Amino acid sequence: EAQVTQNPRYLITVTGKKLTVTCSQNMNHEYMSWYRQDPGLGLRQIYYSMNVEVTDKGDVPEGYKVSRKEKRNFPLILESPSPNQTSLYFCASSLARYNEQFFGPGTRLTVL
Amino acid sequence: GQNIDQPTEMTATEGAIVQINCTYQTSGFNGLFWYQQHAGEAPTFLSYNVLDGLEEKGRFSSFLSRSKGYSYLLLKELQMKDSASYLCAVRDEGNAGNMLTFGGGTRLMVKP
Repeated sequence: EAQVTQNPRYLITVTGKKLTVTCSQNMNHEYMSWYRQDPGLGLRQIYYSMNVEVTDKGDVPEGYKVSRKEKRNFPLILESPSPNQTSLYFCASSLARYNEQFFGPGTRLTVL
Repeated sequence: GQNIDQPTEMTATEGAIVQINCTYQTSGFNGLFWYQQHAGEAPTFLSYNVLDGLEEKGRFSSFLSRSKGYSYLLLKELQMKDSASYLCAVRDEGNAGNMLTFGGGTRLMVKP
């Protein structure tokens, strides 16, 4: 089944404890991105990647890192999480930059 | 930058027709997407418009006027399962990565 998977789906952590949210797609998509969704603010793009080893900042990149060492994986790294990073995170992928995006199921992160 | 406006909430009756509007301002328009998002779930792709006019897909249609910076999503024969948020998203050619910018979403409640 063609899909985007994210892990974990739910995470409660404390300020300053490094964490990684994994994202993987099995559709051989070139384009991948990370969004956060907050009430009243909608979906905002954090980082995106147009291909392996090619990543760039979106609208709200502060406090986040990403890597794209393989085409299928695009992990999101929070080196030192803070409470304002409490949010619902979505990974998405598309065949190329102009195509519709397929979203993962989301990761609900709470930073205490 | 981009500015995308949609109504926050709408209510409609089962079996009726509802139109959800989206206005945008962008420097290099390169396509508009509509996504559906049920509460707690990932957004799913509904439609894509890049040229002026109406795109019809079953009970859902989407219209675009580039000169007016305006789009709408039309839902016919409403069903209870159509209760969801509807997200308008615009692609801007001016962004190197062709980022997708989302509006805040319109929460539609369908009543019996």
